[in-house]
Amino acid sequence: EAQVTQNPRYLITVTGKKLTVTCSQNMNHEYMSWYRQDPGLGLRQIYYSMNVEVTDKGDVPEGYKVSRKEKRNFPLILESPSPNQTSLYFCASSLDPGGGTYEQYFGPGTRLTVT
Amino acid sequence: KQEVTQIPAALSVPEGENLVLNCSFTDSAIYNLQWFRQDPGKGLTSLLLIQSSQREQTSGRLNASLDKSSGRSTLYIAASQPGDSATYLCAVRGSSNTGKLIFGQGTTLQVKP
Repeated sequence: EAQVTQNPRYLITVTGKKLTVTCSQNMNHEYMSWYRQDPGLGLRQIYYSMNVEVTDKGDVPEGYKVSRKEKRNFPLILESPSPNQTSLYFCASSLDPGGGTYEQYFGPGTRLTVT
Repeated sequence: KQEVTQIPAALSVPEGENLVLNCSFTDSAIYNLQWFRQDPGKGLTSLLLIQSSQREQTSGRLNASLDKSSGRSTLYIAASQPGDSATYLCAVRGSSNTGKLIFGQGTTLQVKP
């Protein structure tokens, strides 16, 4: 089944403890992206990647890191999480490198709470 | 900077009604516009993708239109059903940087039986 998977689905952690949220897609998509969703603010793009080893900042990249060492995986790294990073996180992928020609497929989301 | 607005924020209609959801954007230089559906606690499901050169796209009871010059898109849902209850989001991709996707805040639709 074609899908985008995220792990973990739920995470409660403490301020300053490094964490990684994994994202994997099995559709051989070139483009991958991370978003966060907050009440009243909607969905905002954190980082995106148009190809292996190519990543770019979205609208809210502060406090996050990403890497794209292989096509199928695009992990989101929080080096020192803070409470304002409590949010619902989505990973997405698309067939073309620009991410625009074809529709984006979204993962199920990761709900992160930082205390 | 591109801004995307969706009005209304919430909508409640009786089953069977035809309805229109609105999406407006401030910068008409877009590459495409995509409509998504989000059920509570779930991820996003793509409904329709309209390229900047297209005027509309249809899928079943859904029809999305795009007027780039006026910065507007509408999602038309025919003969609404309770199963259509969800939050509908539109997102635009700029022509200068197709990697970036800007979302509206969504319209939460409730269709009452």
